[in-house]
Amino acid sequence: EPEVTQTPSHQVTQMGQEVILRCVPISNHLYFYWYRQILGQKVEFLVSFYNNEISEKSEIFDDQFSVERPDGSNFTLKIRSTKLEDSAMYFCASTLRGGDYGYTFGSGTRLTVV
Amino acid sequence: AQKITQTQPGMFVQEKEAVTLDCTYDTSDPSYGLFWYKQPSSGEMIFLIYQGSYDQQNATEGRYSLNFQKARKSANLVISASQLGDSAMYFCAMSGISSGSARQLTFGSGTQLTVLP
Repeated sequence: EPEVTQTPSHQVTQMGQEVILRCVPISNHLYFYWYRQILGQKVEFLVSFYNNEISEKSEIFDDQFSVERPDGSNFTLKIRSTKLEDSAMYFCASTLRGGDYGYTFGSGTRLTVV
Repeated sequence: AQKITQTQPGMFVQEKEAVTLDCTYDTSDPSYGLFWYKQPSSGEMIFLIYQGSYDQQNATEGRYSLNFQKARKSANLVISASQLGDSAMYFCAMSGISSGSARQLTFGSGTQLTVLP
């Protein structure tokens, strides 16, 4: 069964450092997303990406965040200057049609900012 | 705006029994989708079941079924014949036109299910 692949599974970084979280969406999917889950809390939407540009972004997705699809397969989330409160599980997801059956999540990257 | 409410922070069920996890939603979208995901302690989000708002029949996927009551805006997950491996956090989520063209998901706060031997 097709999978969304995320790397790394865990990352520890110093406050103020830049991190890049990587995702390989399902190959024929067209919509890509990043979500965040702070420990013990609900999953929150960060950003959606379609046709090589941001489709929607939440209030959480401020100037320290950026997304990129540098080639035909990877989808990345960059956090420019990490803060302690960025510590969370970050999930990548993809869908073929958007908001429909087959909305598949990756296994997540657990980011710890120290 | 869309809202998902899961009123059961924790549930217990005896192995082999059925359990219902509640989910109510609020939306003004004419077309929307409802999802359930399972999150075990390892952290990944596992898709369980999907119900489209115009689907005539309740969705089923193996031991999972979705009790969709559109007029009451509820989308409860029913797990039949619970197994120890079903112990996990369960999230209800929805998408809709008001989410934007890419229809991102809005999640509930989750229900922690524990299956007792």
